[in-house]
Amino acid sequence: DAGVIQSPRHEVTEMGQEVTLRCKPISGHDYLFWYRQTMMRGLELLIYFNNNVPIDDSGMPEDRFSAKMPNASFSTLKIQPSEPRDSAVYFCASSPGSLSLPNTGELFFGEGSRLTVL
Amino acid sequence: AQKVTQAQTEISVVEKEDVTLDCVYETRDTTYYLFWYKQPPSGELVFLIRRNSFDEQNEISGRYSWNFQKSTSSFNFTITASQVVDSAVYFCALGTLGQFYFGTGTSLTVIP
Repeated sequence: DAGVIQSPRHEVTEMGQEVTLRCKPISGHDYLFWYRQTMMRGLELLIYFNNNVPIDDSGMPEDRFSAKMPNASFSTLKIQPSEPRDSAVYFCASSPGSLSLPNTGELFFGEGSRLTVL
Repeated sequence: AQKVTQAQTEISVVEKEDVTLDCVYETRDTTYYLFWYKQPPSGELVFLIRRNSFDEQNEISGRYSWNFQKSTSSFNFTITASQVVDSAVYFCALGTLGQFYFGTGTSLTVIP
């Protein structure tokens, strides 16, 4: 079975450019999460969706960041304009949820998108 | 406040030694889940285990075992007879009230 698929795996861009990261969750999973990982801050939750609806975007650092989930099989994380401090590995994860705590089923992570902003 | 603490930043062991990775969590919720994830040098995050707050039974899976103790708010992870392939960063996480909280990770190096 296919896992969570992210693209691109690596992205190098210049400051000011728009960056779009893509994610295809595991089929049937109701929850989709975007995380950012840096050495300084570890794993940070940026936003998560339930049934394509954004539930909590309090982790999105600035208005430069936006995320969408137009359907159950696709999500994007966009940074516009990008800055060098956005350099990080961005992970997408999906989860089937759980009955007792709706969004605490195990997270299945993609391989990550490594973003470098020069 | 919800929090996960992995006090051990880095651990090095010689192959075949046993090693325990500590995880201490804080939550006031009575229903929650605890997780361990492995991040090998290749970078992906691999799910290892999920336990709910009502199940304190220890679990063993091959060389891996987990000790969940609510009295000390700990969910420790032991690798028996470590191997070089166990070298990775290991993350403990708490899931509750619609959020996941990750620890800062413990970097394990197994020396041949």
